[in-house]
Amino acid sequence: QITLKESGPTPVKPTQTLTLTCTFSGFSLNTAGVGVGWIRQPPGKALEWLGFIFWDDDKRYRPSLKSRLTITKDTSKNQVVLTLSNMDPVDTATYYCAHLVVESSGLLCDYWGQGILVPVSS
Amino acid sequence: EIVMTQSPATLSVSPGERATLSCRASQRVGSNLAWFQQKPGQAPRLLIYGASTRATGVPARFSGSGSGTEFTLTISSLQSEDFAVYYCQQYNHWPVYTFGQGTKLEIK
Repeated sequence: QITLKESGPTPVKPTQTLTLTCTFSGFSLNTAGVGVGWIRQPPGKALEWLGFIFWDDDKRYRPSLKSRLTITKDTSKNQVVLTLSNMDPVDTATYYCAHLVVESSGLLCDYWGQGILVPVSS
Repeated sequence: EIVMTQSPATLSVSPGERATLSCRASQRVGSNLAWFQQKPGQAPRLLIYGASTRATGVPARFSGSGSGTEFTLTISSLQSEDFAVYYCQQYNHWPVYTFGQGTKLEIK
């Protein structure tokens, strides 16, 4: 059974760096074809894809966030870490991590964490 | 970045009736299209992938169709638990696997 859970210090102040940890079970990031993605959702708005890390340490980021966003993995701890620097109130959102699996020529989010609300406020 | 456009924004349907939700991609995405259901306070749940394959445990009343740029999610006979927001997502073109803006399915 695949499960994921996001954790991290909230709220965050403007200009600070957000660090979120996705702790998962039921799969390994040492397995070929597997990844973990990050998605966020501002209150009352749509889902927004942020980026992902793949089993072979390949990473892809949303271009508009590329200068601020870093995703890393610790396979020994079954964790993936997202850092987003220089936080702004517009970054207020629920942040989700999701299990990614190769499907056809893309990567499918088939299991999601429960999400963590990150308010950004002074 | 591929833009996913869902219509309508809100759909009012009576229980037991059929609901049809649409999703259009600004570029061809093949069949790499997924549908998610999201209820208030919950994470999205995968319903359909590959444009037409139901995910594990998804009732047969949910069906998906389409390819290229035009996609449809149909719920054949609405149950009370189906009223939620539905999102489509293309996973054909990275680095951004874009979502649509969502369709809210509400009780008429």
